[in-house]
Amino acid sequence: EAEVAQSPRYKITEKSQAVAFWCDPISGHATLYWYRQILGQGPELLVQFQDESVVDDSQLPKDRFSAERLKGVDSTLKIQPAELGDSAMYLCASSPELGQRAYEQYFGPGTRLTVT
Amino acid sequence: GDSVTQMEGPVTLSEEAFLTINCTYTATGYPSLFWYVQYPGEGLQLLLKATKADDKGSNKGFEATYRKETTSFHLEKGSVQVSDSAVYFCALTFYNQGGKLIFGQGTELSVKP
Repeated sequence: EAEVAQSPRYKITEKSQAVAFWCDPISGHATLYWYRQILGQGPELLVQFQDESVVDDSQLPKDRFSAERLKGVDSTLKIQPAELGDSAMYLCASSPELGQRAYEQYFGPGTRLTVT
Repeated sequence: GDSVTQMEGPVTLSEEAFLTINCTYTATGYPSLFWYVQYPGEGLQLLLKATKADDKGSNKGFEATYRKETTSFHLEKGSVQVSDSAVYFCALTFYNQGGKLIFGQGTELSVKP
């Protein structure tokens, strides 16, 4: 069964450093989502792509976070500079646009970020 | 804004006990509702969903009914197993708004043998 791939699984970085996360969605899925999950809370959407276009980045802290999906396939989420409050799990999800399972989101295993 | 509220955990049950995890939502309009499960060290997995009022979602012995009149989507299972120990998230979405999920805070379930 196809899965959403994310790397790295774990990342420890120092405050003020740059960090990047990678996501490869399920093949053929047009929509890609990045969520942030703080320990003990539910995930919150950071950014949503439809193919290579951003459709919702209203909750993305744009002064330090950036995201891209250049060819409409895999995606990178970057934080520069990292702050202590960025410590969280970063989840990537993808969904098909059409068919019986349209808009059902499939999640990757996540990247656990610790900022020291 | 739209939101989801779940009963606080952790919930600790003995094997074969009956499970209920309460979920209520606030939304303008009629969202689709989901339950996701997160096992330790893993990402979220879709457990079940309901897209309109009175729909019942079911999977792996879990059930939830979309109740528009009480804005609720409570998760139930008749007999839990140790392997059901996980964190359960209730969520809503509006497909005509791009499909982003709004999650509750999660409820941790621990099932003891």
